[in-house]
Amino acid sequence: DAGVIQSPRHEVTEMGQEVTLRCKPISGHNSLFWYRQTMMRGLELLIYFNNNVPIDDSGMPEDRFSAKMPNASFSTLKIQPSEPRDSAVYFCASSLDSPPSYGYTFGSGTRLTVV
Amino acid sequence: GENVEQHPSTLSVQEGDSAVIKCTYSDSASNYFPWYKQELGKRPQLIIDIRSNVGEKKDQRIAVTLNKTAKHFSLHITETQPEDSAVYFCAASIQGGNNRLAFGKGNQVVVIP
Repeated sequence: DAGVIQSPRHEVTEMGQEVTLRCKPISGHNSLFWYRQTMMRGLELLIYFNNNVPIDDSGMPEDRFSAKMPNASFSTLKIQPSEPRDSAVYFCASSLDSPPSYGYTFGSGTRLTVV
Repeated sequence: GENVEQHPSTLSVQEGDSAVIKCTYSDSASNYFPWYKQELGKRPQLIIDIRSNVGEKKDQRIAVTLNKTAKHFSLHITETQPEDSAVYFCAASIQGGNNRLAFGKGNQVVVIP
């Protein structure tokens, strides 16, 4: 298995532009998480999907952020319009919510810079 | 909700010495406790985990101990090597959250050659 695949690895965009981050979870995993990581706040959970359904989006900062999971093998996180304070590393993680392991597998992340 | 705290925030050790990182959690119903290692510029990776029905688990130079009564668990790294330098995150399962985890803020471990 190739693990959790995220694209792009790096994104530099101008303030006000739309940004779309993509994630392909591990095949068979039924939970998917989007995290944002900054030096100040550490790892923040943005949204959590279970069986393609958004369960908890209380971590989404504001209406500029939206996430979708149209099928079990693909999810997107969109920021529109982007702002400099959105600059961070965005990680996608997936897991299987049944024994023997609940451990998350993280993707390599997307480093977003908004200028 | 679950609150996970890690101490110390930064730990420096001499190569070959042991390192211990402690985490406390607030939800007594938590039953799964993983540790993740994140090297600079890379993704967090699961290195070891423990469930509430055991008190200790070892994997080569790393071990995790759990004290459910005191609601704390620790990561132990023996014979530290420069490649152990990283940020280590602990996490605890959230009751009623399926397999959701609450993460600590992370500990920076620096192994001095």
